[in-house]
Amino acid sequence: AQTVTQSQPEMSVQEAETVTLSCTYDTSESDYYLFWYKQPPSRQMILVIRQEAYKQQNATENRFSVNFQKAAKSFSLKISDSQLGDAAMYFCAYRSTGNQFYFGTGTSLTVIP
Amino acid sequence: DTAVSQTPKYLVTQMGNDKSIKCEQNLGHDTMYWYKQDSKKFLKIMFSYNNKELIINETVPNRFSPKSPDKAHLNLHINSLELGDSAVYFCASSEWGRDSGNTIYFGEGSWLTVV
Repeated sequence: AQTVTQSQPEMSVQEAETVTLSCTYDTSESDYYLFWYKQPPSRQMILVIRQEAYKQQNATENRFSVNFQKAAKSFSLKISDSQLGDAAMYFCAYRSTGNQFYFGTGTSLTVIP
Repeated sequence: DTAVSQTPKYLVTQMGNDKSIKCEQNLGHDTMYWYKQDSKKFLKIMFSYNNKELIINETVPNRFSPKSPDKAHLNLHINSLELGDSAVYFCASSEWGRDSGNTIYFGEGSWLTVV
């Protein structure tokens, strides 16, 4: 099975500042998808952003963007202009060609007012 | 309209009891999943079904038995509940092999507490 590693259990950022969450993965596949999900205290899983491995251009969704380095198998999430509502657990996820999703252990993000 | 709905949302029960969690998706997806999220918030796949057929059965005690009556439903039955079964159980769905965004959609979770 593929593995997804998030090496930062906890991160903090000042409101309005920028923070980057790290994610690496291990795979032998060439075609796959990567995701970042946000989980607030309500535990609802919310899709933040999605990246297709065959696309070289990094995905962007408003204040959220990724730095996808396919050769390095790295997929980091950058949050710009951090807001209090961004405080949550963030999970990196990998979708295999077999339509299975593997999740990292999560990074808990605190936003400091 | 809720895309993936699961019931109950909260469940408190005694050790040794048997309980079920129901899940339904109205997205027309053909793949459904059960994930378990423990107190450390690790999200682990338990089962995966594609068109009612079991695809993945991770190392899960056989006290856990999924049932998929049709591709829109995937229920989870748990026998002889133990304290360690306390967790949040997420149902999810996605579309197999088609570029529908290839995204997995989650229900709101079922919070199971075994006392």
